[in-house]
Amino acid sequence: DMKVTQMPRYLIKRMGENVLLECGQDMSHETMYWYRQDPGLGLQLIYISYDVDSNSEGDIPKGYRVSRKKREHFSLILDSAKTNQTSVYFCASSGQIYAEQFFGPGTRLTVL
Amino acid sequence: GDQVEQSPSALSLHEGTSSALRCNFTTTTRSVQWFRQNSRGSLINLFYLASGTKENGRLKSAFDSKELYSTLHIRDAQLEDSGTYFCAAASNNNAGAKLTFGGGTRLTVRP
Repeated sequence: DMKVTQMPRYLIKRMGENVLLECGQDMSHETMYWYRQDPGLGLQLIYISYDVDSNSEGDIPKGYRVSRKKREHFSLILDSAKTNQTSVYFCASSGQIYAEQFFGPGTRLTVL
Repeated sequence: GDQVEQSPSALSLHEGTSSALRCNFTTTTRSVQWFRQNSRGSLINLFYLASGTKENGRLKSAFDSKELYSTLHIRDAQLEDSGTYFCAAASNNNAGAKLTFGGGTRLTVRP
């Protein structure tokens, strides 16, 4: 069953702590993405990864960094989390750029 | 920047009725995806279109890349169709392979 997984599903952190969100996919997709969704809004792109160690900033990269050391895994890192980074984070993957994207279930992050 | 205007923002339907959602794009779009976000927050893929129309059960979607719009028709609405529907446009420029999402349509289907 092809899917995108995310861990953890829920996370509470204090301001200034480091946060690691993990994403995996079993479809051998080259391209992976991190988005965030705030209440009442659609998703906004944080970072794109075109393959291992080939990452590009999206529309809102400030305060985030990413790591992709294996094709099937893509991590989102918040160094010193801020309260305005409280959001739901979605990971997605696609077989090629501009192809259909498939989304994980999301991680709800609360920064206190 | 790229904009995706989605309408209506909210819609209430009685079971068995039909309606259409629409997305207008301000720039050329390579493809469009439609999603339903359920009460648990999961994004369910409904359609991916590079052109033309697709149909899946009671849902039908069309994409006109020249006229810069896409529609999602819901026929014979059922209670389980309730949720928030998003369209998303794939960029057709050097900005990168991103989806730009509309603001969503919150659909409530009532008995």
